[in-house]
Amino acid sequence: QLVLTQSPSATASLGASVKLTCTLSSGHNNYAIAWHQQQPEKGPRFLLKLNSDGSHDKGDGIPDRFSGSSSGAERYLAISSLQSEDEADYYCQTWTTGIQVFGGGTKLTVL
Amino acid sequence: EVQLLESGGGSVQPGGSLRLSCAASGFIFGSYAMTWVRQAPGKGLEWVSIISGSGSSAYYADSVKGRFTISRDKSKTTLYLQMNSLRVEDTAIYYCAKDDRFDSTGYPEYWGQGTLVTVSS
Repeated sequence: QLVLTQSPSATASLGASVKLTCTLSSGHNNYAIAWHQQQPEKGPRFLLKLNSDGSHDKGDGIPDRFSGSSSGAERYLAISSLQSEDEADYYCQTWTTGIQVFGGGTKLTVL
Repeated sequence: EVQLLESGGGSVQPGGSLRLSCAASGFIFGSYAMTWVRQAPGKGLEWVSIISGSGSSAYYADSVKGRFTISRDKSKTTLYLQMNSLRVEDTAIYYCAKDDRFDSTGYPEYWGQGTLVTVSS
């Protein structure tokens, strides 16, 4: 079964860096994922598509502060030079023919 | 600029029906699959349904299969979600999204702002 696992929360300081993790279920190590950001009271926003080899394609207007990387079943979203507007929920998502799956989301708090 | 504008949400009693619409602009509508995703109050994102660019293929989450129908009108560049036999647990904000490719094997790359559906007696 295709499942994505995320930690419920993360905390980092203004100006610092953070790395969020999304873990693919067993047997799905080669799947690409997408990262989406949802700021409070807003709709989601696509950040980037991340392949199993770590290559990634960003959405329109996404700053260079956002990047992705991969290792085995782990998919990461790194955010550098944290700003207050980065405080949001972050969801990873994957897909196969006819189905899309979301992780439970990570709530990022920027202190 | 890609724009997606959902409408049709509202309050309905359990067992009732609603039809959501998503008016799309800024891209060649028939060239991309479209997706509905929902978010219950205080919860995460849940995929609901996807339809291919041609409309020939559609898929549903098990939670809505047999009750919801996704469709699209190329001439109106509008996506629809017909929701029947609504349940309290269908209460959510419903988002439409433009996928990254024509067939049903991709992911959302643009999102709308959502429309709220409340199912309550």
